[in-house]
Amino acid sequence: QKEVEQDPGPLSVPEGAIVSLNCTYSNSAFQYFMWYRQYSRKGPELLMYTYSSGNKEDGRFTAQVDKSSKYISLFIRDSQPSDSATYLCAMGVTGGGNKLTFGTGTQLKVEL
Amino acid sequence: DAGVTQSPTHLIKTRGQQVTLRCSPKSGHDTVSWYQQALGQGPQFIFQYYEEEERQRGNFPDRFSGHQYPNYSSELNVNALLLGDSALYLCASRARGAGANVLTFGAGSRLTVL
Repeated sequence: QKEVEQDPGPLSVPEGAIVSLNCTYSNSAFQYFMWYRQYSRKGPELLMYTYSSGNKEDGRFTAQVDKSSKYISLFIRDSQPSDSATYLCAMGVTGGGNKLTFGTGTQLKVEL
Repeated sequence: DAGVTQSPTHLIKTRGQQVTLRCSPKSGHDTVSWYQQALGQGPQFIFQYYEEEERQRGNFPDRFSGHQYPNYSSELNVNALLLGDSALYLCASRARGAGANVLTFGAGSRLTVL
């Protein structure tokens, strides 16, 4: 079993839809949770970063962490074609330096 | 701000050859890590360099080695290339004093092994 599980998709939604992306994890030591966006032929770009259970909002993006269920989510409101990309969840432990454990990524396509 | 820059962007090698990939971290960053991203997979941590020393290593064989220079730039070397080494190799850097695990990634070097 992988430490981090993520549905690879692909996920196709119409413009303006609310998108829900999810990851589950098995390692209770994970304390930092991140969502990265990766466009084709580009490196991952940090979208959201949180270290506690609960919700964190930034514009159209909301990150949700439930440590008791080992489950994290990213919600995208009013999705746009420019949101079409692969979304990667990533997790780290305190003192883990630059070592992050990533999910496989979910490919999202927002259609006009 | 140029961000994290990597070279070359693409390269093709044959099995058994050796390859060197290069990375310049973002200005103000002093910790560099390398990740391997196979097609359709998430990035996997190879190792981290800080103060010119390897500080942490993921589950990769000794064929993968690295170096960090006094100007914080870094190299990833892979010897005795295998077909399975074909991947996007990502360099990531972190700001001095930044919160743990907040990384800036480069665009990567895409390696194809034939």
